[in-house]
Amino acid sequence: SAVISQKPSRDICQRGTSLTIQCQVDSQVTMMFWYRQQPGQSLTLIATANQGSEATYESGFVIDKFPISRPNLTFSTLTVSNMSPEDSSIYLCSVGNRPENTEAFFGQGTRLTVV
Amino acid sequence: GESVGLHLPTLSVQEGDNSIINCAYSNSASDYFIWYKQESGKGPQFIIDIRSNMDKRQGQRVTVLLNKTVKHLSLQIAATQPGDSAVYFCAESHNAGNNRKLIWGLGTSLAVNP
Repeated sequence: SAVISQKPSRDICQRGTSLTIQCQVDSQVTMMFWYRQQPGQSLTLIATANQGSEATYESGFVIDKFPISRPNLTFSTLTVSNMSPEDSSIYLCSVGNRPENTEAFFGQGTRLTVV
Repeated sequence: GESVGLHLPTLSVQEGDNSIINCAYSNSASDYFIWYKQESGKGPQFIIDIRSNMDKRQGQRVTVLLNKTVKHLSLQIAATQPGDSAVYFCAESHNAGNNRKLIWGLGTSLAVNP
């Protein structure tokens, strides 16, 4: 298993500002993912964080709005840039294991409110 | 398009009863399926998975059944306890180029009545 520490757990931010969310894993993992989840709804994949290369973004998400870093196999950050109230959501980090490399473990999430 | 849906958005059961949560999927190329449990204020937690070459897999108090003929997945929880109250998501996975694609269902809220 993997233990994921996600920071901050929650934040209230002013519109137009940016917030960087950190995800730290206690072991090296191949795949790291960033999700968004509106309260009471399902999860939407933002991007897959690739170690040593640019993240792979899903349709509707762009690097300028959600820049992602992955400097090594245990750490990643997601930045929500130039925030608006529509960005208010829960952001989740997830890691995957082989062989399926699908999401096996999740952080506790970051609850973001933009005012 | 591809989708994974749930028949019941909410399910209420008595403590001690068995719970059955259903899920339909539409992508016949899906070969791996996962059930997650999400408690309030927490991230999803992996419960159990099943590959498409199986039709049943059992864990501790949970059983997943896969019917590929009708593209149906179910999660059975035996002797449901108050701690089982949560939202349950099914997800299906298939190969997409060099990676795998995970598609999430809408979620079913399970409420256990004492």
